[in-house]
Amino acid sequence: NAGVMQNPRHLVRRRGQEARLRCSPMKGHSHVYWYRQLPEEGLKFMVYLQKENIIDESGMPKERFSAEFPKEGPSILRIQQVVRGDSAAYFCASSQQGSDTTYNSPLHFGNGTRLTVT
Amino acid sequence: AQKVTQAQTEISVVEKEDVTLDCVYETRDTTYYLFWYKQPPSGELVFLIRRNSFDEQNEISGRYSWNFQKSTSSFNFTITASQVVDSAVYFCAQGAQKLVFGQGTRLTINP
Repeated sequence: NAGVMQNPRHLVRRRGQEARLRCSPMKGHSHVYWYRQLPEEGLKFMVYLQKENIIDESGMPKERFSAEFPKEGPSILRIQQVVRGDSAAYFCASSQQGSDTTYNSPLHFGNGTRLTVT
Repeated sequence: AQKVTQAQTEISVVEKEDVTLDCVYETRDTTYYLFWYKQPPSGELVFLIRRNSFDEQNEISGRYSWNFQKSTSSFNFTITASQVVDSAVYFCAQGAQKLVFGQGTRLTINP
């Protein structure tokens, strides 16, 4: 059973370009979470999605960042007009259930995408 | 507000020593999970343990053990007879799906 798959593993973008990060959840998982890890820091929650729905985007920067999880295909985290401060590791996790009252599965993280903005 | 504090930024020990990583959390939730993750130099996040807030039993897995004390809101992690391969950054986290992470403890095991 494949784990959470993220690609690319490394992504280099120049300032002003767009970055698209992809995440395929574990088989059977319908909920996806994105976290960001700035250098020398812990992970910070960004957004929580289920298929075709954003459940919680309280950690997303107000501008330039968006996320989607379509009915078919991977979840995409899109960063438009990247700036140097966006350089970080972006981790995706998935779970079977997302209800706040039903804690059924641990969060399985992908290997992350390391974004470098030059 | 939820908060996780890992007061030890860096720890360095000699191989075979025991080492304990501290984790203190704050939450108003009555039901929650506590987690530990390992991040080796290669950068991935390795899941180590998830603990339900209802279960205060200590857990042992090989050289790893965890001590959950609800009364002090702590969830400490001990590595017995440490090895060089244990060198990594260790993160404590609290929550369910939306996790709050501590800042991490960088553990270096010297041969």
